[in-house]
Amino acid sequence: KNEVEQSPQNLTAQEGEFITINCSYSVGISALHWLQQHPGGGIVSLFMLSSGKKKHGRLIATINIQEKHSSLHITASHPRDSAVYICAVFNNNDMRFGAGTRLTVKP
Amino acid sequence: EPEVTQTPSHQVTQMGQEVILRCVPISNHLYFYWYRQILGQKVEFLVSFYNNEISEKSEIFDDQFSVERPDGSNFTLKIRSTKLEDSAMYFCASSEYINQPQHFGDGTRLSIL
Repeated sequence: KNEVEQSPQNLTAQEGEFITINCSYSVGISALHWLQQHPGGGIVSLFMLSSGKKKHGRLIATINIQEKHSSLHITASHPRDSAVYICAVFNNNDMRFGAGTRLTVKP
Repeated sequence: EPEVTQTPSHQVTQMGQEVILRCVPISNHLYFYWYRQILGQKVEFLVSFYNNEISEKSEIFDDQFSVERPDGSNFTLKIRSTKLEDSAMYFCASSEYINQPQHFGDGTRLSIL
């Protein structure tokens, strides 16, 4: 069983739709990252959170430590949001990654 | 905004050769990381480095691999006696402190022939 599970694996949405990507993990963590990987391969850190909720522009990330679950939401999605979104959990100096969710937003 | 830079962007090497992948972390960052992503697979943690020594390494990071901070700015990953299965994208990242957001470089695509 993977330590970090993401769902869905693939997601196609129409521009303007509200997007939710889920992440569940089975290990103890000190923090959770949401990362965005562009088609060219580059990785950008979107959020790092250890409790509660964070918001940045149209992106919202939540985490429930008791349930070992996090969600990434995108409001008013746009084609430029198309990317792979990766959940990664951090414990001490070790980071474990989910397989990613490939999001395609169509105009 | 300060960036993590990696060189080269693409490295092609014959099997059995040694490669050195280079990274310049953000200057005030203290924690450094190497990750790899085999094509079509998820990102995998290789090693973390703090205070001039390895603080954590994965089972992937065996004797074939080594890391070094040869001067105040560079952070290198050396792969000895490369194998076909070492072909991957290698990402360097740095963070100011532990449990702080990590900043990633654009990666080095390593192709072993």
